[in-house]
Order: sequence, then C-alpha cells, then structure tokens
Amino acid sequence: GESVGLHLPTLSVQEGDNSIINCAYSNSASDYFIWYKQESGKGPQFIIDIRSNMDKRQGQRVTVLLNKTVKHLSLQIAATQPGDSAVYFCAEITDYKLSFGAGTTVTVRA
Amino acid sequence: EAQVTQNPRYLITVTGKKLTVTCSQNMNHEYMSWYRQDPGLGLRQIYYSMNVEVTDKGDVPEGYKVSRKEKRNFPLILESPSPNQTSLYFCATGLAGGNEQFFGPGTRLTVL
Repeated sequence: GESVGLHLPTLSVQEGDNSIINCAYSNSASDYFIWYKQESGKGPQFIIDIRSNMDKRQGQRVTVLLNKTVKHLSLQIAATQPGDSAVYFCAEITDYKLSFGAGTTVTVRA
Repeated sequence: EAQVTQNPRYLITVTGKKLTVTCSQNMNHEYMSWYRQDPGLGLRQIYYSMNVEVTDKGDVPEGYKVSRKEKRNFPLILESPSPNQTSLYFCATGLAGGNEQFFGPGTRLTVL
C-alpha cells in the first residue's frame, strides 16, 4: 500500500555540523509534504512544508528538498544544535488526510 | 496564549467502560484531528474534521467516534475501549488545508 517512510531510524550528529534526514514516499498524489519534530514528552511540532509542485523550500536553519522523480524528501538542518535533538517525522497530506512516517531519532553530540 | 488542550492527560481504565477525551483549541482553526502514537508505528490519524459538523475517517477509525458540534471542541469517544486502544493520543488543529498542524500535549491511555 501507499506509505511514507524514513531511510534511517537514528542519526547521530556532531554539534555544529549539518544534518540531513531522509524520507521516501510512495503516494505521488500528495498535496504537501511536511516535516515535524517531536521532543521527548511533547506533541509534534511543525517545522516546514513543501507543496508538491516545488523542489526546494528554505526556512530558518532548515531546508526541505523534494525529488519527485525518485519520490524522496529530505530535511537539512544547518549548524545542528543540542536543541535539535528529537524525533523527526516526515508526513504527507492528501485530501486533508495526514500520514506520518515512522520517525528518525536525531542525537546531537557535544 | 494560543493553545490546544487535552483532558485528561493520563487515564487508566478497564475494558468496556466508555470514555471521552476532550480537545479544545482557542486559535479559531477550522481543521481538527486525532492521532494515536504507538512504538514502531509512528503517528496514525484516527479522525479529522474540516469544520463544524464535518468529520471524516483517518487511517485507523475503528473503535472510535468523534463529534464537532462547535469549532473549538473535538472530543474523541471510545464507546467500549479494548486493550489494543492503549496508546498515546494527540489532538491537533490547523488552518483549512491541514498541512500545518498544532498538536496538543497528548493523552496517555491505558486500557486494562
């Protein structure tokens, strides 16, 4: 069936380095692709989204890239900080229904 | 302060005892939704509502009911809870498109 998934369940990053979190999706009909961050004990927090007709979108310290040819989504975090330690979920929305991937746990090393 | 509130935050109950988890938002958002989060399965959408009196099923609606009688509230009802509904539940709200959602703090439910 159609699903949203992540390539790696965990990622360890040195503080100050750039992080890249990857996600593969299978539903070509999705309207938006979205990244959420979930810190321990909290609900998910919206980071950034990208419309399906775009290739790249930048936010504050984050960039989302969408490659529709290979159905791949990535989140780049510049100059990773300790506060970036969290679980990151990619998600897609189709006809108002939101589907999440399983998540990548990012750990930032001091 | 803009917020999404859920009550209760923690609940332990027994099989078959009806329960309601409330969700309220003060952001005047049209879109509201319920999710459950289970280890290894990520977040799965239970139900969503695009506006008052408009609700629709998500990916895992079985065993749940919702209602949207007013814009700010979107309660989740478990008529006859079962142990497989033990989970962490999140309510979320958003603007009409639903792509940017604001999540509540979560309700941890245990059904014995």
